[in-house]
Amino acid sequence: DQQVKQNSPSLSVQEGRISILNCDYTNSMFDYFLWYKKYPAEGPTFLISISSIKDKNEDGRFTVFLNKSAKHLSLHIVPSQPGDSAVYFCAARSQGNLIFGKGTKLSVKP
Amino acid sequence: GAVVSQHPSWVICKSGTSVKIECRSLDFQATTMFWYRQFPKQSLMLMATSNEGSKATYEQGVEKDKFLINHASLTLSTLTVTSAHPEDSSFYICSARDKTSGTYNEQFFGPGTRLTVL
Repeated sequence: DQQVKQNSPSLSVQEGRISILNCDYTNSMFDYFLWYKKYPAEGPTFLISISSIKDKNEDGRFTVFLNKSAKHLSLHIVPSQPGDSAVYFCAARSQGNLIFGKGTKLSVKP
Repeated sequence: GAVVSQHPSWVICKSGTSVKIECRSLDFQATTMFWYRQFPKQSLMLMATSNEGSKATYEQGVEKDKFLINHASLTLSTLTVTSAHPEDSSFYICSARDKTSGTYNEQFFGPGTRLTVL
């Protein structure tokens, strides 16, 4: 039973355009949501987060939107750059532990 | 930022042998460390949570006698895969939570260790 779902295993975007990565969750008790970026054979690195009491958080080119009623969050990257190509994991925090989605592989083409 | 290291980064071993993986927080003290496992094209699966000085808490389905975790100090946790078999081949990642962190409790991840069991 997956509590955090990333239904798109991959996404391809042209450089300069917007990348939108989606994540759905089932547990309404999650209090924090995080996005991690992961390159092959490396550990995840933290990207951006949002508290469950907010609906938007922005940091430079990265913005995370949270829709609690739909149990959905998304990560927007604008403008996308080739260096953004990586696997992006959505994670939700419950009682201090993180539950990860399966990840979405983003490819940004020059 | 906070740095977490893992050693070794890649290990190949024969079936039946034991392998120890170290996870260190380099510039902060970690009261809690987490061990994850990632299969190809799959998510990070939490294996166990370890708190310094106490026994690790294992997730359902994870054999504690096979995956021995020791969190001997605030900067070091070790995962020992005992009597490794080919199905244990995977990417193992640790993370550490800063002792001084507030309510956010961010986890910092190590670079991972690729284990290949022949």
